[in-house]
Amino acid sequence: GAVVSQHPSRVICKSGTSVKIECRSLDFQATTMFWYRQFPKQSLMLMATSNEGSKATYEQGVEKDKFLINHASLTLSTLTVTSAHPEDSSFYICSARDAATSGYSYNEQFFGPGTRLTVL
Amino acid sequence: GESVGLHLPTLSVQEGDNSIINCAYSNSASDYFIWYKQESGKGPQFIIDIRSNMDKRQGQRVTVLLNKTVKHLSLQIAATQPGDSAVYFCAEPMNSGYSTLTFGKGTMLLVSP
Repeated sequence: GAVVSQHPSRVICKSGTSVKIECRSLDFQATTMFWYRQFPKQSLMLMATSNEGSKATYEQGVEKDKFLINHASLTLSTLTVTSAHPEDSSFYICSARDAATSGYSYNEQFFGPGTRLTVL
Repeated sequence: GESVGLHLPTLSVQEGDNSIINCAYSNSASDYFIWYKQESGKGPQFIIDIRSNMDKRQGQRVTVLLNKTVKHLSLQIAATQPGDSAVYFCAEPMNSGYSTLTFGKGTMLLVSP
């Protein structure tokens, strides 16, 4: 089955530093990837849609300059949390949509295992 | 710490029981729904989906029921097992392009041996 990986799985950093999280589709090509943030005991909130070769589309309230997204290839999207602060501590999850599939159903969108970010 | 008002509904069942997890939606035009399972520290996993032209859809040990009249859907898990313990989310497309998802609040299912 389609697999999406994230790296790192956990990261602890000091306040003010930047952290890069990678999302890779391992056995399929993904023209579109999605980045979500999830706080403890809460639901997933879509942050942005990452499109290969073009600028990401950010959801309302998500700072573009704070959360830099790069989707440089059909198998890799990166999320960089710049100048991280403790309130950025969260579980970041990516998902990828298989470019080979089309149509109606969502079972072509696959989620990564998540990255736990802790900012001290 | 946890903010006041934030609460993840929890359903506790015994192994072997049937579990029913509910989800309400507000948009009467919504025509496609997905259930996801999220185990602790992991990403969501697709369970089953349903289109609005159906009232019921069955999978392996799971059934999703859709009641469009009251804008409600449920996920039924038969013979619940400890491995079913997780948070369950319903989700639906955010727009007509079906390119992005919005997730419900989630329900934590705890299965006791």
